[in-house]
Amino acid sequence: EVQLVESGGGLIQPGGSLRLSCAASGFTVSSNTMNWVRQAPGKGLEWVSVIYRSGDTYYADSVKGRFTISTDNSENTLSLQMNSLRAEDTALYYCARGDDYNFFLVWGQGTLVTVSS
Amino acid sequence: DIVMTQSPDSLAVSLGERATVNCKSSQSILNRSNNKNYLAWYQQKPGQPPKLLIYWASTRESGVPDRFSGSGSGTDFTLTISSLQSEDVAVYYCQQYYSAPFTFGPGTKVDI
Repeated sequence: EVQLVESGGGLIQPGGSLRLSCAASGFTVSSNTMNWVRQAPGKGLEWVSVIYRSGDTYYADSVKGRFTISTDNSENTLSLQMNSLRAEDTALYYCARGDDYNFFLVWGQGTLVTVSS
Repeated sequence: DIVMTQSPDSLAVSLGERATVNCKSSQSILNRSNNKNYLAWYQQKPGQPPKLLIYWASTRESGVPDRFSGSGSGTDFTLTISSLQSEDVAVYYCQQYYSAPFTFGPGTKVDI
């Protein structure tokens, strides 16, 4: 069964760092297009970042220079390293598998990140 | 960046009636080389992740009931639920995958 399970969320102070992980089963992360999408409490969906199987990465302007997306082939996981966190980064973070053109076929259940002092 | 807008913000429809959600992109998301519109629709129910309903503006994902249909081209798109069921109460989002950043519309809440 194809499944994505996120972890690593929590409460963090502004300026802090956090690393999110997304464990995949039923497919190989590095052979697919993988994304992070976030949703602030009570708000809509915001695309955050993508990593293609080529290794190319793209980021939303709101996180560029602070967040880094990567994959771990040995663990079959997707990661998001988040630095210099701000209150506006507070959200439920989903990982999502895209098809070759990057509409989002499979979603995890999300992990909640709360940035607050 | 391509900006996606949706209308209305919310709508209430009687069971069995038609629901129509509109989505507009700030620039064309039609790729003339393959004649495909890079537009997807997602359904999100409370406490759940989004679920892909439609891609290429009008192709239903496997398992999605045929009461859901998508139409439109270029910059203007529509999601239609032909006969609203109770389980269709949700927020619906459009998303363009023409170019990064892969932007979503703000969502339309559909209720009974």
